[in-house]
Amino acid sequence: QKEVEQNSGPLSVPEGAIASLNCTYSDRGSQSFFWYRQYSGKSPELIMFIYSNGDKEDGRFTAQLNKASQYVSLLIRDSQPSDSATYLCAVILSGGSYIPTFGRGTSLIVHP
Amino acid sequence: EAGVAQSPRYKIIEKRQSVAFWCNPISGHATLYWYQQILGQGPKLLIQFQNNGVVDDSQLPKDRFSAERLKGVDSTLKIQPAKLEDSAVYLCASPWGSSGANVLTFGAGSRLTVL
Repeated sequence: QKEVEQNSGPLSVPEGAIASLNCTYSDRGSQSFFWYRQYSGKSPELIMFIYSNGDKEDGRFTAQLNKASQYVSLLIRDSQPSDSATYLCAVILSGGSYIPTFGRGTSLIVHP
Repeated sequence: EAGVAQSPRYKIIEKRQSVAFWCNPISGHATLYWYQQILGQGPKLLIQFQNNGVVDDSQLPKDRFSAERLKGVDSTLKIQPAKLEDSAVYLCASPWGSSGANVLTFGAGSRLTVL
């Protein structure tokens, strides 16, 4: 079992819809969770991070964390074509190294 | 903050040749990471430096890859000899800000094509 798993997609949604991206992780002791966005040919850039169970909102983005079920999700409201990108989930696993481990990413396509 | 500088942006070599990538992270950050991102995959950690010491190089293919960080500032990642499967983007990253969250700022990356 991989440490951080994401469906590679692509996930296709119409403009204005809610896009839901999911990530599961294997290490129950993981403490910190991140969502990065990566446009084609560019480097990853942080969207948001979350530590605690529940929801964290930032503009059109909401991160949801459920440690008991070991998943973290990202909701994008009012999706725009400019949101089309690969979304990478990263987790800091337990063990003390504090090194972010990335999933393979989910490709999101927002069509007009 | 000046960000993370990397060079070269692109490199094409033939298998068995050597290549070196350079990174200069955000000034003052002791921690520096090198990640390898193969097309269609997420970034995979190769090596973590804290100042000029190696913290984790467990996933670095040491028979062909080497990295150093002289004086705890800029870093060089070398591949010798290169294989076809080394074709990837090599990303250098440094923690951002003082939140303690270990949020990474990435450089633009160095795209390697091995023919």
